[in-house]
Amino acid sequence: DAGVIQSPRHEVTEMGQEVTLRCKPISGHNSLFWYRQTMMRGLELLIYFNNNVPIDDSGMPEDRFSAKMPNASFSTLKIQPSEPRDSAVYFCASMGGLGSPLHFGNGTRLTVT
Amino acid sequence: SQKIEQNSEALNIQEGKTATLTCNYTNYSPAYLQWYRQDPGRGPVFLLLIRENEKEKRKERLKVTFDTTLKQSLFHITASQPADSATYLCALDASGSNYQLIWGAGTKLIIKP
Repeated sequence: DAGVIQSPRHEVTEMGQEVTLRCKPISGHNSLFWYRQTMMRGLELLIYFNNNVPIDDSGMPEDRFSAKMPNASFSTLKIQPSEPRDSAVYFCASMGGLGSPLHFGNGTRLTVT
Repeated sequence: SQKIEQNSEALNIQEGKTATLTCNYTNYSPAYLQWYRQDPGRGPVFLLLIRENEKEKRKERLKVTFDTTLKQSLFHITASQPADSATYLCALDASGSNYQLIWGAGTKLIIKP
């Protein structure tokens, strides 16, 4: 079990650029979550997928953020255009079943200058 | 509004002693509560889950209690070791689906040799 895999680990970009974060969940897990973590706000849920279908995207801060899950083994979170206030660590997590623990990746540290 | 609080100050404990971390919540009736460990540069790692009808849960040197009257969970590490140093996060779920987890800001635990 390789765990949840996220890429890249670090991303530094300039304001206005498009950023794409990637996630490979644990095989067999049918739920996937994107979180953002900052010192000020802690862990915030951005969007949640179940069986590749977005269930709740109420945490997505603005239309600049979008997420897709084209298949059970891959998801992307895109920010276009990026802004300095988007700087944070973005985590992907997967879950094997209702009420099961979350398995987190090691995150992507995004810095927008 | 729903609120979950953990000690914001770092907790310094001498090696070998028991470390006790607190998670308090208000305006909430969680179906269960989870504790995670987070190391610098890593995603949170699940430790224990305790349900509303359980008073106590143990795993090796870890013990979690859940008092729904006091609206409080305590997380204990007995015979603490420097390797236990990390940030510990509690998370509540009331929906039974896990996707509506509400996270505490975490308590940084430092075990001194």
